[in-house]
Amino acid sequence: GAVVSQHPSRVICKSGTSVKIECRSLDFQATTMFWYRQFPKQSLMLMATSNEGSKATYEQGVEKDKFLINHASLTLSTLTVTSAHPEDSSFYICSAPLSASETQYFGPGTRLLVL
Amino acid sequence: AQSVTQPDIHITVSEGASLELRCNYSYGATPYLFWYVQSPGQGLQLLLKYFSGDTLVQGIKGFEAEFKRSQSSFNLRKPSVHWSDAAEYFCAVGPPGGGYQKVTFGTGTKLQVIP
Repeated sequence: GAVVSQHPSRVICKSGTSVKIECRSLDFQATTMFWYRQFPKQSLMLMATSNEGSKATYEQGVEKDKFLINHASLTLSTLTVTSAHPEDSSFYICSAPLSASETQYFGPGTRLLVL
Repeated sequence: AQSVTQPDIHITVSEGASLELRCNYSYGATPYLFWYVQSPGQGLQLLLKYFSGDTLVQGIKGFEAEFKRSQSSFNLRKPSVHWSDAAEYFCAVGPPGGGYQKVTFGTGTKLQVIP
C-alpha cells in the first residue's frame, strides 16, 4: 500500500512558539492531503483539506490564521501551529488519497505537547 | 450531512472468542465505508473498505465486515480474537468516488482482549 510519513513524531514546545509538522507521501503524488486532529479518547476531526498549489480549505471552527497549511509540492504538505497554546496539545494526523477513487492513507501522527 | 455512529465505546472479549463491532451510518446514497484500527499512539491502519459489489468484505488480519443497506450498518467481525487485536477501531464514511472527499469518522470502539 501507499506510504505517508509525518515528521516529527513527537514535539514539545513552549506556549507562544510555532511548530511545523510535515506530511509526505513517499511513493505517490498527492494533490490533496487532509489534516486531522485527535484529542485524547476522541475520534479524528477533520481540520482542513490541503490542495497542491492552492489555498487550503478549512472546516468550520478551525482558525486558518492559527493553523497554517502549505502544500507546495505533490509530495509534501505542512501544518504550522502558530503561537501554540496548551489547548493546542493534541495528536495531529495527515492523510492522502492514492487517487480520486481510492481510500486515504494515513500518516503515523504527530503528538504535540504545548507547555 | 454524513455521520457515523459506533454505539459501543468499549468492548471486552476473551482471547479466542468471536467479535462484532457495530457501525451505523447516515448518508443520502450508498457511501464508501471503511474500518480503521489504531494502536495506542499510532496512526490509522485500514482494515477493509466497501465501495460496491459483494456486501461481505474481507480485510486484513482476519477481519470482515458486512454492508447492510436496509439497516444502514457496516459491522466489523472476527471469528477468533487474538490478544494483538486490542486497539481502537474506527468506522468511517465518505462519499462515492470520494478519494479526494471528506471522510467522517465514528467516535471509535476500544477493544480489550483478556486471556
